[in-house]
Amino acid sequence: DGGITQSPKYLFRKEGQNVTLSCEQNLNHDAMYWYRQDPGQGLRLIYYSQIVNDFQKGDIAEGYSVSREKKESFPLTVTSAQKNPTAFYLCASTSGYGTDTQYFGPGTRLTVL
Amino acid sequence: AQSVTQPDIHITVSEGASLELRCNYSYGATPYLFWYVQSPGQGLQLLLKYFSGDTLVQGIKGFEAEFKRSQSSFNLRKPSVHWSDAAEYFCAVGAGSNYQLIWGAGTKLIIKP
Repeated sequence: DGGITQSPKYLFRKEGQNVTLSCEQNLNHDAMYWYRQDPGQGLRLIYYSQIVNDFQKGDIAEGYSVSREKKESFPLTVTSAQKNPTAFYLCASTSGYGTDTQYFGPGTRLTVL
Repeated sequence: AQSVTQPDIHITVSEGASLELRCNYSYGATPYLFWYVQSPGQGLQLLLKYFSGDTLVQGIKGFEAEFKRSQSSFNLRKPSVHWSDAAEYFCAVGAGSNYQLIWGAGTKLIIKP
């Protein structure tokens, strides 16, 4: 079955560490997204990528980095510069147009110890 | 600026009762409108979407939504809720040519037995 996988489901980070969250899709979608979700704030866009080797900052990109070396993969690195990284992170993909349905992975919950 | 407002943070409904979740948007052109549902600790699933045509849209799980241009609203309805409908519901607006969705803050639905 086609879909989006995110790993790990739970991730714990010590202060000052970088961590990388994995997102893989086998839907053959061109566009991929990373969102951050905090209680009561809905989804906030971190980065998105329309095609391989290209990506754009979203509303809250500071302290995060991404890469898009393969169409099916869009890993997110949470760097030590992100001051409040504890949150639920969601990856999504779409076929290539902003008005098309976004399909979501199951999410990764990151906790800073 | 584009925005989406979901006025109700929480709604409590008795099982078997009808449901209406409100969504208001601010957007200059004809919007592309979405409702997603999120079970606790999970990703988001599309319930329904409106692009054009009939303003009453049918979705999965017995949900429907009506687009009212004059009120800038896209309210989600269900005639009879089930305990399994307990979840958080998000309204989103697509801005057309770009690849981003604008998200509401979500409404948490609680079902009373």
